[in-house]
Amino acid sequence: ETGVTQSPTHLIKTRGQQVTLRCSSQSGHNTVSWYQQALGQGPQFIFQYYREEENGRGNFPPRFSGLQFPNYSSELNVNALELDDSALYLCASSFRGSLQETQYFGPGTRLLVL
Amino acid sequence: AQTVTQSQPEMSVQEAETVTLSCTYDTSENNYYLFWYKQPPSRQMILVIRQEAYKQQNATENRFSVNFQKAAKSFSLKISDSQLGDTAMYFCALKTGTASKLTFGTGTRLQVTL
Repeated sequence: ETGVTQSPTHLIKTRGQQVTLRCSSQSGHNTVSWYQQALGQGPQFIFQYYREEENGRGNFPPRFSGLQFPNYSSELNVNALELDDSALYLCASSFRGSLQETQYFGPGTRLLVL
Repeated sequence: AQTVTQSQPEMSVQEAETVTLSCTYDTSENNYYLFWYKQPPSRQMILVIRQEAYKQQNATENRFSVNFQKAAKSFSLKISDSQLGDTAMYFCALKTGTASKLTFGTGTRLQVTL
């Protein structure tokens, strides 16, 4: 069974640039959720994708957008980067239809915005 | 809205001893699930244990067990026979039946010492 993978592991961008982060879900999972984890804090929900559509969104501006592909992998896009976007971005996959829809996390992408 | 509170920013325990991490939560829904995740310094979030709110029996996974007090909205994690590899950030998380997201607490940093 293949776990959740994310790429890249680290990324450095400058303010105003755009970034794309990628996530491959665990085999057998059909749902992907994205979280932002600032240093020393708990993860904050950005949004979730199911059947290639956004299914729930947290308190993040529209410059945070995403995609889900037919193979259930996903991308997180952030436009017009701000310094406060510096964080660890976590992707989690789950199976919609299971009782708890337990989410399993990838290793994360560390984004630094200068 | 859901909230999760972890009131212990840091804890320390000696190897082979037992430690309990506290978590309280708030939700107006009757159908929900509770989770403990572990995030070692390598940063990958790992599921430790989960509990369905409708189950009265406390969940157990090897050395990890929970004390779920539904009326008090309390969900503590007990780690028995602590090992050096248990050193990590521990996050309590809540998922309601109608929501797609996990709501996390701020975490407890656990240090296991010799």
